[in-house]
Amino acid sequence: GIQVEQSPPDLILQEGANSTLRCNFSDSVNNLQWFHQNPWGQLINLFYIPSGTKQNGRLSATTVATERYSLLYISSSQTTDSGVYFCAVVLQGGSEKLVFGKGTKLTVNP
Amino acid sequence: KAGVTQTPRYLIKTRGQQVTLSCSPISGHRSVSWYQQTPGQGLQFLFEYFSETQRNKGNFPGRFSGRQFSNSRSEMNVSTLELGDSALYLCASSSIATGYTEAFFGQGTRLTVV
Repeated sequence: GIQVEQSPPDLILQEGANSTLRCNFSDSVNNLQWFHQNPWGQLINLFYIPSGTKQNGRLSATTVATERYSLLYISSSQTTDSGVYFCAVVLQGGSEKLVFGKGTKLTVNP
Repeated sequence: KAGVTQTPRYLIKTRGQQVTLSCSPISGHRSVSWYQQTPGQGLQFLFEYFSETQRNKGNFPGRFSGRQFSNSRSEMNVSTLELGDSALYLCASSSIATGYTEAFFGQGTRLTVV
């Protein structure tokens, strides 16, 4: 089945630093989403980005579908950015389910 | 517009019991999917319902079942609970098929089996 790999698995930053999270996937996809899981477990939508570039405040994302990767950029990080970031994809031509990576655990220290 | 609502938020059950979890999707959304999250296995797909029909099923035993009602609300049931069923169960809704549009998740139901 489709493989989704996220890197790095863990990331520790000082407040104000910038970071880049990466998501590699092994097959063509119809759907790619980035989520932030809050301490209570809810997955918060960050981006729906099967291709192209989007920006939302301090966050931006780029998906290069032909090269099978997506990047999530966090600028001027804040302590509230801490948590686990997940990338999830839906395989093109496969069953319509989100396949999740293992996540990147981000810790932002004050 | 209300988000995806899952009830209950927390549950403690005994081995061998059964449990039913509920999910109300965003108004107008017709697809509801269920996922299980555990520390060891991460986030795994359970099943998806669309217009009251199960369209996809993950690799879980038959003890895990679900259904969707005409108002798109969905329930999942786990019978004969095992300790390993302790997990966060997340429900997602989307307007059409998951593969072609954005999915939105509820707050989850945290199930503890003792």
